[in-house]
Amino acid sequence: KAGVTQTPRYLIKTRGQQVTLSCSPISGHRSVSWYQQTPGQGLQFLFEYFSETQRNKGNFPGRFSGRQFSNSRSEMNVSTLELGDSALYLCASSLRSGALDTQYFGPGTRLTVL
Amino acid sequence: AQTVTQSQPEMSVQEAETVTLSCTYDTSESNYYLFWYKQPPSRQMILVIRQEAYKQQNATENRFSVNFQKAAKSFSLKISDSQLGDTAMYFCAFWNYGQNFVFGPGTRLSVLP
Repeated sequence: KAGVTQTPRYLIKTRGQQVTLSCSPISGHRSVSWYQQTPGQGLQFLFEYFSETQRNKGNFPGRFSGRQFSNSRSEMNVSTLELGDSALYLCASSLRSGALDTQYFGPGTRLTVL
Repeated sequence: AQTVTQSQPEMSVQEAETVTLSCTYDTSESNYYLFWYKQPPSRQMILVIRQEAYKQQNATENRFSVNFQKAAKSFSLKISDSQLGDTAMYFCAFWNYGQNFVFGPGTRLSVLP
């Protein structure tokens, strides 16, 4: 079974631009969670989608948004990029929402904002 | 809000020896889950072990075991017979119903030959 895939793997943007990241979960998984990983703040939860509905949201500004499609693929969008948005963005999929099942992580998208 | 603390930013251990990584957390909840995740260099994060708070028995997965002290809010990870492939960042994490995952800052473990 294919693992969690994320595209693109690397991205360079400039301040003020917007960006969309994509995550394809493991086949059959309906939950997709997004995380931001930075050296200073560590690993922080962004949001979780389950069956196309946002279940939980972390403490991030409204510039960070996401959605999930009927095939469980998920996208994350960041508008009006700031230098501090430079990070590794990880997505994770699981069968059910929350911690009931093991989360499987993707390789991440490395976003650099110049 | 829940917090997770890992007081050891970096640790090293000789191959074949045993090492223990510390984790403490703060919560007022009684039912929750605790996790240890491993992030090898340039590789994907994977789940090492999971503990449900209502289970008193410590979880074990092959060479990995935990010491869960609910009253002390402590959740340490013991790695026995350390292998070179255990070199990674280790994150302790907390989750309970209706809340988000909260991760600790991580411990960088180096296994030395």
